[in-house]
Amino acid sequence: AQTVTQSQPEMSVQEAETVTLSCTYDTSENNYYLFWYKQPPSRQMILVIRQEAYKQQNATENRFSVNFQKAAKSFSLKISDSQLGDTAMYFCASPNTGNQFYFGTGTSLTVIP
Amino acid sequence: GAVVSQHPSWVICKSGTSVKIECRSLDFQATTMFWYRQFPKQSLMLMATSNEGSKATYEQGVEKDKFLINHASLTLSTLTVTSAHPEDSSFYICSARWGVYYGYTFGSGTRLTVV
Repeated sequence: AQTVTQSQPEMSVQEAETVTLSCTYDTSENNYYLFWYKQPPSRQMILVIRQEAYKQQNATENRFSVNFQKAAKSFSLKISDSQLGDTAMYFCASPNTGNQFYFGTGTSLTVIP
Repeated sequence: GAVVSQHPSWVICKSGTSVKIECRSLDFQATTMFWYRQFPKQSLMLMATSNEGSKATYEQGVEKDKFLINHASLTLSTLTVTSAHPEDSSFYICSARWGVYYGYTFGSGTRLTVV
């Protein structure tokens, strides 16, 4: 079974600063994917970044990057140059072989002007 | 590409009535779709996996007779909340996988209020 844990219910960051959101997971899969999704007030789920477990290189998408530590089963999200539009709930997630997503409890991020 | 359309975006119904939520893949075929439920300020909880042409698979604790799922075509899955009660009020989201490399897309969600 997949389990995903986010230990930071709420975080805040000053605009233009950098913030890191934590996520740990547990899986019995050998090859798997990890995702960060953003859910703004509109509640639309938006893919932020994806990491393939067999790739050692950390994924990067513009201002978003991950620190993937496979042995530690850690998958943190770093947001650089934070913008007001980054204010949202952020969910770490991992699908199982049946493509069913299991989400963490989420981190509510507020970017302060 | 890879758009999932979910309707309605919000619905209010009376206790005891049924309401149907539709989830359509607009530009791809989805043999499998997923239904999630989200309470305010909480995470998404997987309710069931909808399989085209076969019975849905429900997560433990989800009442299959209350939450009827039909996946009659490769582009449409429906969730019907039967005999709705106020405790069924929630935000429901569907999702589908597209492509080979773990591309997933989510519908925009349906806010259900039972009065």
